[in-house]
Amino acid sequence: DAMVIQNPRYQVTQFGKPVTLSCSQTLNHNVMYWYQQKSSQAPKLLFHYYDKDFNNEADTPDNFQSRRPNTSFCFLDIRSPGLGDAAMYLCATSRADSGANVLTFGAGSRLTVL
Amino acid sequence: GQNIDQPTEMTATEGAIVQINCTYQTSGFNGLFWYQQHAGEAPTFLSYNVLDGLEEKGRFSSFLSRSKGYSYLLLKELQMKDSASYLCAAMDSNYQLIWGAGTKLIIKP
Repeated sequence: DAMVIQNPRYQVTQFGKPVTLSCSQTLNHNVMYWYQQKSSQAPKLLFHYYDKDFNNEADTPDNFQSRRPNTSFCFLDIRSPGLGDAAMYLCATSRADSGANVLTFGAGSRLTVL
Repeated sequence: GQNIDQPTEMTATEGAIVQINCTYQTSGFNGLFWYQQHAGEAPTFLSYNVLDGLEEKGRFSSFLSRSKGYSYLLLKELQMKDSASYLCAAMDSNYQLIWGAGTKLIIKP
């Protein structure tokens, strides 16, 4: 089945130790998103790629970076995780020309910072 | 500013009907989405409304009133597996999604 796959599902890191989260998709969608979601809160958009065009949300901390080496893969790098970065990180994809622009989400990567 | 309001939590009984309301304020409007999110899992798409009226999909229906900036999700014949958070999201004129914090629905036997 075509899908969005995130790895790892669970990541434990120490304060300040860099982390990379990955996302791959077999849907051939041209838009990829990274969201941060904390418990009982709305998903917060960090970045999105429209094809190769990178879009950084104005309030995304500099501590977060992203790479999209090709259509299928996207990475989220957290350079120096703090306790406040503990959250679920959701990757999503969509087809921008599909009208409704429905997002398909991966299962998420839950980050714990010790 | 742009804003989505929905109740934090609702409780309903198995087999009953529940309506989850959502009001939105966005810069322009390109549709209203409902997603279901089980605890610790990713959101999954339920419905999309861009025109006024009711869209029915099995046990779930979604309604939109653009003039009132209002939508609701109606769940019928509730099952225990419907216990989840329901996220309302509106798409603005830049096709960006503005998300609500979700309504946690608790189903009791």
